[in-house]
Amino acid sequence: AQSVAQPEDQVNVAEGNPLTVKCTYSVSGNPYLFWYVQYPNRGLQFLLKYITGDNLVKGSYGFEAEFNKSQTSFHLKKPSALVSDSALYFCAVREPYGGATNKLIFGTGTLLAVQP
Amino acid sequence: EAGVAQSPRYKIIEKRQSVAFWCNPISGHATLYWYQQILGQGPKLLIQFQNNGVVDDSQLPKDRFSAERLKGVDSTLKIQPAKLEDSAVYLCASSLATGSGNYGYTFGSGTRLTVV
Repeated sequence: AQSVAQPEDQVNVAEGNPLTVKCTYSVSGNPYLFWYVQYPNRGLQFLLKYITGDNLVKGSYGFEAEFNKSQTSFHLKKPSALVSDSALYFCAVREPYGGATNKLIFGTGTLLAVQP
Repeated sequence: EAGVAQSPRYKIIEKRQSVAFWCNPISGHATLYWYQQILGQGPKLLIQFQNNGVVDDSQLPKDRFSAERLKGVDSTLKIQPAKLEDSAVYLCASSLATGSGNYGYTFGSGTRLTVV
């Protein structure tokens, strides 16, 4: 069964510093991996995805993620954090193309708190 | 393009009462999903529709939850009778097609249900 793990409930970082939000996955076959962000009282917003190709994926708002097959990880990164980046971040995995469904399996989320 | 519309935004009911949520997906999106997000957890898929047919309802508590998408466009999710543990945010999402490449999801803002 597919799953993702986000080992940190919360990440604290000072504004201007680099940030990393960790995600590891377990899936048979080639994974499709996603990052979503959720602001208070808002729905989930898509940040970026890895399907194939370059291991470094660039997404919205200056975020990027690095796919590492040997470590089964897909960590979210940003070189310089902003206070406005403070939100709840979810990693997700879905079945590769050709699966019966394309449902997303989400991690438990990591709360990112950026201090001014 | 307009996003995924959900209503109501908030609902408070007493246990054993019934409640219904409505979702209107993005025009042309054949696949519609209902997710349940309990506080402190990642979203969990309840049911997935492809047009007006059910693709996956394996995690839908069918003794109390029901959902329909009669005309393959908008959808309703119903809970009857509600339990305290049903308190959660109910997220609707849509995408272009099931099992297709890397079509992304678009999420609505969700309905926050509180059962007292």
